[in-house]
Amino acid sequence: QVQLMQSGAEVKEPGSSVKVSCKASGGTFNNYAVTWVRQAPGQGLEWMGGIIPDVITAHYAQKFQGRVTLSADKSTSTGYLELSSLRSEDTAVYYCARGLATIIYHPYYYYYLDVWGEGTTVTVSS
Amino acid sequence: QSALTQPASVSGSPGQSITISCTGTGSDFAYYNYVSWFQQNPGKAPKLIIYDVSKRPSGISNRFSGSKSGTTASLTISGLQAEDEADYHCCSYVGSNIMMFGGGTKLTVL
Repeated sequence: QVQLMQSGAEVKEPGSSVKVSCKASGGTFNNYAVTWVRQAPGQGLEWMGGIIPDVITAHYAQKFQGRVTLSADKSTSTGYLELSSLRSEDTAVYYCARGLATIIYHPYYYYYLDVWGEGTTVTVSS
Repeated sequence: QSALTQPASVSGSPGQSITISCTGTGSDFAYYNYVSWFQQNPGKAPKLIIYDVSKRPSGISNRFSGSKSGTTASLTISGLQAEDEADYHCCSYVGSNIMMFGGGTKLTVL
């Protein structure tokens, strides 16, 4: 049974960047998409973006365009989220999740998120 | 810009059935049958309970069912149990490799 192991909690100053990792244990990212979802305190889930390592294609929610970068290392089955220009509103739990990528029609893919990491708390404070 | 709207809260008594709606505003939401539902307990990661509108992952109780008509997807929980008390989130593919979550619904079992 695959598990997604995320890096530890981070405390960052406003204006800085954070990089969170997500490693698949007991499985790989072959044929899968890796998605990042965040949840601010007391709020709902927010899809940030997804990357399909097999095709090295990343897609981002419009809200985060230009501020977020997703990457993945297939050799270590690890995905990464980097968020820059941090502000207090970015304080949240950041989850990675994996989903089997199914092509709808080129270059569009669909996946549902069946395996989730435990979450990484990122606190932005001066 | 698509948006998914859920009621903030619903409640029901043990044994009853409840339905949580998820209404989309974009045309792609109505076109694609790619809606998922997640259950989330406090301090825990979300758990997939429904995918592709109405399919259940292995191990999920058949008390959970999903449906979709036009621009509204629904999650129904039958035979409500105390352990069902949690937050429920809908999620949908909305085109161009983009996904979106609803605002979440808090279910209270009375």
